[in-house]
Amino acid sequence: EAGVVQSPRYKIIEKKQPVAFWCNPISGHNTLYWYRQNLGQGPELLIRYENEEAVDDSQLPKDRFSAERLKGVDSTLKIQPAELGDSAVYLCASRDRGRDTGELFFGEGSRLTVL
Amino acid sequence: GENVEQHPSTLSVQEGDSAVIKCTYSDSASNYFPWYKQELGKRPQLIIDIRSNVGEKKDQRIAVTLNKTAKHFSLHITETQPEDSAVYFCAATPNSGYSTLTFGKGTMLLVSP
Repeated sequence: EAGVVQSPRYKIIEKKQPVAFWCNPISGHNTLYWYRQNLGQGPELLIRYENEEAVDDSQLPKDRFSAERLKGVDSTLKIQPAELGDSAVYLCASRDRGRDTGELFFGEGSRLTVL
Repeated sequence: GENVEQHPSTLSVQEGDSAVIKCTYSDSASNYFPWYKQELGKRPQLIIDIRSNVGEKKDQRIAVTLNKTAKHFSLHITETQPEDSAVYFCAATPNSGYSTLTFGKGTMLLVSP
């Protein structure tokens, strides 16, 4: 079974530039999460999708961040314009809501460096 | 919302010793408490979890205990090995259905040979 796939793995941009991250969850997983992980910290939720619906985006900085999950499968997270403080690893995770398990399957993350 | 505190932030042990990592949570409605292990540069992976109707759960060398009254839970690793070296995160759900996990800040465990 293929795991959660994210791209790009690394991205270096200058501040005020836009950036986008892509995530392909495990096939059949209804729930998709975007987390941000700052250096030396735990993952912090940005947004959670149930199928194509964003059901928890309270921590998403909506002035510069946007996300979409068209057709309830792949998802894209965009930052425009990027700021220095956005440097972090952006983790995508998915879960099979139909199974009685809370396990999240994470991708390898997209490491963003804003100069 | 839920708030999860994790201690210590770093833990150094000798191979073969035991390691204990502790977490507290704030929302009494939380009922699912997983632990994730993240090796350097790798993705977080679930190693063990516990639900609020259970006080303790073991899986080989790792165990988790839960005290709902005190709102704290702990990870215990016995007979530590160098490959146990990693960052460990505890987490809790603020409500039922595993909806959204709130993570602690992590504990870096270093096991010296």
